Amino acid sequence: NAGVTQTPKFQVLKTGQSMTLQCAQDMNHNSMYWYRQDPGMGLRLIYYSASEGTTDKGEVPNGYNVSRLNKREFSLRLESAAPSQTSVYFCASSVARGRTEAFFGQGTRLTVV
Amino acid sequence: GENVEQHPSTLSVQEGDSAVIKCTYSDSASNYFPWYKQELGKRPQLIIDIRSNVGEKKDQRIAVTLNKTAKHFSLHITETQPEDSAVYYCAAQVGGNSGGGADGLTFGKGTHLIIQP
Repeated sequence: NAGVTQTPKFQVLKTGQSMTLQCAQDMNHNSMYWYRQDPGMGLRLIYYSASEGTTDKGEVPNGYNVSRLNKREFSLRLESAAPSQTSVYFCASSVARGRTEAFFGQGTRLTVV
Repeated sequence: GENVEQHPSTLSVQEGDSAVIKCTYSDSASNYFPWYKQELGKRPQLIIDIRSNVGEKKDQRIAVTLNKTAKHFSLHITETQPEDSAVYYCAAQVGGNSGGGADGLTFGKGTHLIIQP
């Protein structure tokens, strides 16, 4: 049972380049999330998908787009990467909205130079 | 939206002593309060959670208390061991069926717990 799987684990981008972070879960969860983690800032919600077919902005959505491809997969896209987007990105999933445990992927360490 | 404050940012205790981490939240509609542990280079993992209809919950050496009136909750670790060294995050979430609004967890900024041998 893989849980939540993210690809890639590491990535270096040049300013202005684009890329997509992939996330897939095999727990039949309805809700999926993207967080970024910066030193001293904790984890901040970028976007979430409460259920298949829906997406909503979180606390820090600027510069990102998401796609809930199906129930298993939730991708995060950076259209024009900026140094401020250097961070560790975590995908997570939960059974449903609210009051349930969120399971995290192993993270993607992104550096924008 | 919800705002979660966490203190202290760093906590150093002697092995075998107790550690207490405190959090406050702003949105009275929040009703789910998990705690996550993150070891260096690893993913956050849930260690304990509490829902708003419960005042205290224990799991072996770990306990969480919730005071909804004061809007604060705390993590207590007793008989600390070297493997307890990590960053701990508190979080709060508004109920998922409370009429829309923000979803996802709002996290505190984390507490780096150091267990001194």
